[in-house]
Amino acid sequence: GEDVEQSLFLSVREGDSSVINCTYTDSSSTYLYWYKQEPGAGLQLLTYIFSNMDMKQDQRLTVLLNKKDKHLSLRIADTQTGDSAIYFCAEGGFNKFYFGSGTKLNVKP
Amino acid sequence: EPEVTQTPSHQVTQMGQEVILRCVPISNHLYFYWYRQILGQKVEFLVSFYNNEISEKSEIFDDQFSVERPDGSNFTLKIRSTKLEDSAMYFCASSELREVQFFGPGTRLTVL
Repeated sequence: GEDVEQSLFLSVREGDSSVINCTYTDSSSTYLYWYKQEPGAGLQLLTYIFSNMDMKQDQRLTVLLNKKDKHLSLRIADTQTGDSAIYFCAEGGFNKFYFGSGTKLNVKP
Repeated sequence: EPEVTQTPSHQVTQMGQEVILRCVPISNHLYFYWYRQILGQKVEFLVSFYNNEISEKSEIFDDQFSVERPDGSNFTLKIRSTKLEDSAMYFCASSELREVQFFGPGTRLTVL
């Protein structure tokens, strides 16, 4: 079945850039997504990229997609303490999404 | 901005009892979903629903589970006889098209 893998933890200093990586297996996914989950909260859609794009930028967020290697990354520029959360990569097929385990981002002041 | 809402935020129940988790999807959306997240684990797909019927369901979604859209706004997940291992956060999601799903804040279900 489809599998989405992420590293579990990332720690950065405030003001630095964060890069969260994800690999996936289903090459037929039309879109790939990044969701943010703060403690005790739901899943907030951060951004998504169409599978025929290489890059998408949205303010401090940059998504890079390497379709050949099935690798997706999320770069957060000028990381703030409010960015501390769990970030989930997801790939979407029709009807359902497959989520990674989530990367816990810790931003140190 | 429209959002998916879920009630209750936390449900505590005894093993063997029935629970109904409620969701109000975004009003013009046509596709509805339930996911669950056991503490510390991945978010797992349960079921998708379109045009008043189940489109797809996972192996988790056994006969103990059912979904319903009883009126034009609510979308419910019923667990008939809860087990300890049903304790999880349950997320509802909806989408206008099938590509982008918007998630609710979740209902934390605790089975004692």
